[in-house]
Amino acid sequence: NAGVTQTPKFQVLKTGQSMTLQCAQDMNHEYMSWYRQDPGMGLRLIHYSVGAGITDQGEVPNGYNVSRSTTEDFPLRLLSAAPSQTSVYFCASTAVLGGTGELFFGEGSRLTVL
Amino acid sequence: AQSVTQLDSQVPVFEEAPVELRCNYSSSVSVYLFWYVQYPNQGLQLLLKYLSGSTLVKGINGFEAEFNKSQTSFHLRKPSVHISDTAEYFCAVSEGGSEKLVFGKGTKLTVNP
Repeated sequence: NAGVTQTPKFQVLKTGQSMTLQCAQDMNHEYMSWYRQDPGMGLRLIHYSVGAGITDQGEVPNGYNVSRSTTEDFPLRLLSAAPSQTSVYFCASTAVLGGTGELFFGEGSRLTVL
Repeated sequence: AQSVTQLDSQVPVFEEAPVELRCNYSSSVSVYLFWYVQYPNQGLQLLLKYLSGSTLVKGINGFEAEFNKSQTSFHLRKPSVHISDTAEYFCAVSEGGSEKLVFGKGTKLTVNP
């Protein structure tokens, strides 16, 4: 029962460095998304995808890129990290056809940008 | 655009006391409503959801919520809390069956002995 798997769980970057947060799901879900969680701000949607080859921006997309080459994977790229991107990142997925709207979450990736 | 307001950022209660966590939403169309729980250093897991039908929804761990369309509310309740209920709770809404969820800012529930 893997569900949604995120790697790495922890990462420290220096300002200007790049990195990719990985997300994989084994539930054949069409919809995948990335949220960031900051204290007192709840979860805010960064990017989402409704299927392979289709991505769109959420509420806070600046500084992040995504791609969806397969149904299973949805990586989040930071091209030039900034301290404002220090956060906990969650990947979540759900079925589109026949789904009930429930998002299934990974355990999160804690990123610190110095 | 829809939005979610969780009226209390922190709620301290004593063990075995009842608790209500408040959630109001704004939307011009039909909505799906959710409550998620996040235990320390973990991801979010679904407590309960309202899609349609009965306005009183029962979830896991003895929690329930009532959808009130006229007041645009979806408050979460539990008649008797345990220490293990200490966590952060998030209310979320999606419009018209969309997969995109909009979350409230969360309510930290602390259950004291």
